[in-house]
Amino acid sequence: ETGVTQSPTHLIKTRGQQVTLRCSSQSGHNTVSWYQQALGQGPQFIFQYYREEENGRGNFPPRFSGLQFPNYSSELNVNALELDDSALYLCASSLASGEYNEQFFGPGTRLTVL
Amino acid sequence: AQSVTQPDIHITVSEGASLELRCNYSYGATPYLFWYVQSPGQGLQLLLKYFSGDTLVQGIKGFEAEFKRSQSSFNLRKPSVHWSDAAEYFCAVGALGGYQKVTFGTGTKLQVIP
Repeated sequence: ETGVTQSPTHLIKTRGQQVTLRCSSQSGHNTVSWYQQALGQGPQFIFQYYREEENGRGNFPPRFSGLQFPNYSSELNVNALELDDSALYLCASSLASGEYNEQFFGPGTRLTVL
Repeated sequence: AQSVTQPDIHITVSEGASLELRCNYSYGATPYLFWYVQSPGQGLQLLLKYFSGDTLVQGIKGFEAEFKRSQSSFNLRKPSVHWSDAAEYFCAVGALGGYQKVTFGTGTKLQVIP
């Protein structure tokens, strides 16, 4: 069974650019969540996708957007990058079944905005 | 709204000593509670979880946690700390409400001295 994978591992962008981060869910999982972890902080919930639809969102502006594909892989897109977007971005997959199910986290993508 | 408080930002213990990391949560119903560990530059690894049942939960690497509803606490313990336990520890509360949402605390960084 393959775990959650993310790419790239590290990324450097400049302010105003756009970035796409990718996540491959654990086999059999239909839900993916994205989190932002700033330095010295706990992860903050960005949004969640279930069967290709966004079904929950945290306190993040619309320039943070996402996609989930039929194979349940996912992308996080951030437009008009700001310096404060520098963080570790984590994705987590789970199987939504009406009950609470554990989320499995990937290793993260470290984004640096200069 | 759910929230998690980890009052200790940084803890130092001697190798072989016991450990207790504090966590207090706020949630209106029975919570789903988690402890995660994060080594430098790594993603999150689940140590243990509480969904229901026995309030003393055993996890990996010799960790345990006790759910105390009356105190809204879910403290993590280990009887004898190893140098490899040095990492950052996050307490988290999960909820079901249209989507699965996990709220993390700000973390406790554990330093282990010889």
